[in-house]
Order: sequence, then structure tokens, then C-alpha cells
Amino acid sequence: EDQVTQSPEALRLQEGESSSLNCSYTVSGLRGLFWYRQDPGKGPEFLFTLYSAGEEKEKERLKATLTKKESFLHITAPKPEDSATYLCALCSGNTGKLIFGQGTTLQVKP
Amino acid sequence: GAVVSQHPSRVICKSGTSVKIECRSLDFQATTMFWYRQFPKQSLMLMATSNEGSKATYEQGVEKDKFLINHASLTLSTLTVTSAHPEDSSFYICSATSLDRGYDEQYFGPGTRLTVT
Repeated sequence: EDQVTQSPEALRLQEGESSSLNCSYTVSGLRGLFWYRQDPGKGPEFLFTLYSAGEEKEKERLKATLTKKESFLHITAPKPEDSATYLCALCSGNTGKLIFGQGTTLQVKP
Repeated sequence: GAVVSQHPSRVICKSGTSVKIECRSLDFQATTMFWYRQFPKQSLMLMATSNEGSKATYEQGVEKDKFLINHASLTLSTLTVTSAHPEDSSFYICSATSLDRGYDEQYFGPGTRLTVT
């Protein structure tokens, strides 16, 4: 069964304190792994797509990496405006649908 | 690019009435649209997948007759919650994708908060 597990559920950081969010997955055939950012009361905002192990993508203070079993979202020197829930989702080759993890709620304090 | 809108953003309706939510892709043609439901502090759960011009495919446990989905054009899909009850109160989010953009990249609307009283 295709499955996505994110950890931790919640993360509090001081401004400038770098950290990583984890997304572990099992899938029968990976078509892609996605990271989204969701602010309260809003729809998810697309961040990255990763397709194969070893792939990395960066955008401002965020960097996403992928292995055969997990993906990490690294946040370097975060700012308060990075506070949000970060969602990981995988697209299974079998169904083409997105399966979302529970999300990690990040709070960055000034 | 890749902008998806939803209307309304919030709706309050009485139990037993029906409510329609619109999802539009503003700057691309969406061959496929998805409807999700999100309860407080939970992740997104896929309700159904709709392809333009054909019937929607519903996920297990989602009542087809209660959640009517229409995808009549490449830029518009609608979700109608029929005979709504308080347990249908939730955050409904649509997403859209297209073959031109690569099927797997879904772009999400801002969501619709439904409250049934």
C-alpha cells in the first residue's frame, strides 16, 4: 500500500536556526514526490517536484532532496514568514493520484 | 501561470440545502481536476477525480449522489454538496492539472470553507 509519513508533526525554530523536515514513503511505483506549503485557511502552494533518488531542488531558503525511501525539506536560516504547514505528497505510478502526508507545522519565532 | 480559483471562499448553509462550489483554471486548460476535503488539523483527502467531458471517478467511501461533480469545460469544474448536513462542514479544495504541464503537477485553488448549520 502506498503510504506517506511526515515527521515531526510540529517544529518550532528560532529565526536563523536551520533544520530539516522528513517525509518517509513506501510506493509501488513512484511517479513523483511533491512538497507543498499551506498557510492557514489557504490551499497548498506548490514548492517542488522530485522524480528520482539523488535529485535535489532549491528555492530561496528551501532545499528538497530525495532518496529511495524518504525526502527531506531543508530550511536554511528560516524567517518568521516561513511559518506554515509543509505537506509532502507522492504520486503513485499505479493511480496517478496524490497521496498526502499529515504535514509538518513549522513555527519560526523572531 | 498555473492559477486556480474557487468560488465562494466561504459559505454557510442550512442543513438539508445544497451548495455549489466552482473551481476554475484561469490561465491554462485543465484536462483533469481533483476535489479534496480537509478537516481541521488533518491532511488533504482526495474525494474524486474529474476529466473534462466525462464522469468523475470517486474515491472509496465518497457518496456519488451526495457530492455531484461536473467538469463541463477545460477551465471549470463544479462540486455540488446535496442535502448538506453538519458533518459535511469542511474545507473543500480543488486542484487542476493538464497534459501540457505534465500530468503530475497539481495546482491548488484557495479552498472553500463550508459550514452547515
